[in-house]
Amino acid sequence: SQTIHQWPATLVQPVGSPLSLECTVEGTSNPNLYWYRQAAGRGLQLLFYSVGIGQISSEVPQNLSASRPQDRQFILSSKKLLLSDSGFYLCAWKPRLNTEAFFGQGTRLTVV
Amino acid sequence: DAKTTQPTSMDCAEGRAANLPCNHSTISGNEYVYWYRQIHSQGPQYIIHGLKNNETNEMASLIITEDRKSSTLILPHATLRDTAVYYCIVRVANRDDKIIFGKGTRLHILP
Repeated sequence: SQTIHQWPATLVQPVGSPLSLECTVEGTSNPNLYWYRQAAGRGLQLLFYSVGIGQISSEVPQNLSASRPQDRQFILSSKKLLLSDSGFYLCAWKPRLNTEAFFGQGTRLTVV
Repeated sequence: DAKTTQPTSMDCAEGRAANLPCNHSTISGNEYVYWYRQIHSQGPQYIIHGLKNNETNEMASLIITEDRKSSTLILPHATLRDTAVYYCIVRVANRDDKIIFGKGTRLHILP
């Protein structure tokens, strides 16, 4: 069966520090991959999505970036965090020949 | 993708049926209606989807109007664990692109 791993579950980082969140999917190949952010009390905002290795589409211009170095690995990064980067970050995957997306458990990031 | 309109919040008594409406008046002929829910501090969970016929699974039923401009998600016997934000999304099935969530409906199940 397919599983998605996202870590860490919680993270507290100072302003100006770098960020790296990793998401991996097991049990499938060539999935679509997604990064979302949810600020406190707000909806899900799509940040990036990828339909293949090295193919990244950005939805929101900001100081975050995403990379897909391997088929089932999706990384969200920042060189310098801002206070406004605080939120709940969710990774998701969707099989190509299926209609529903599956989400990880999320990372709660607090920038202080 | 077509946009959807949902009430901001709803209450439902435990044990009763919860009926969550969604308007999607600009839906295209090849777009499906999907429902997800997000329990507090967790990732969204897929519930059900349909094109034009009513659908039922172990979690819920989906009723789509004949003109496909609106739909209703029905949780037949709501429990406290059904308290969550419910998202209605319309999109083309199997398309390799983004999945956009709206603000959803915050459903409170009352004991």
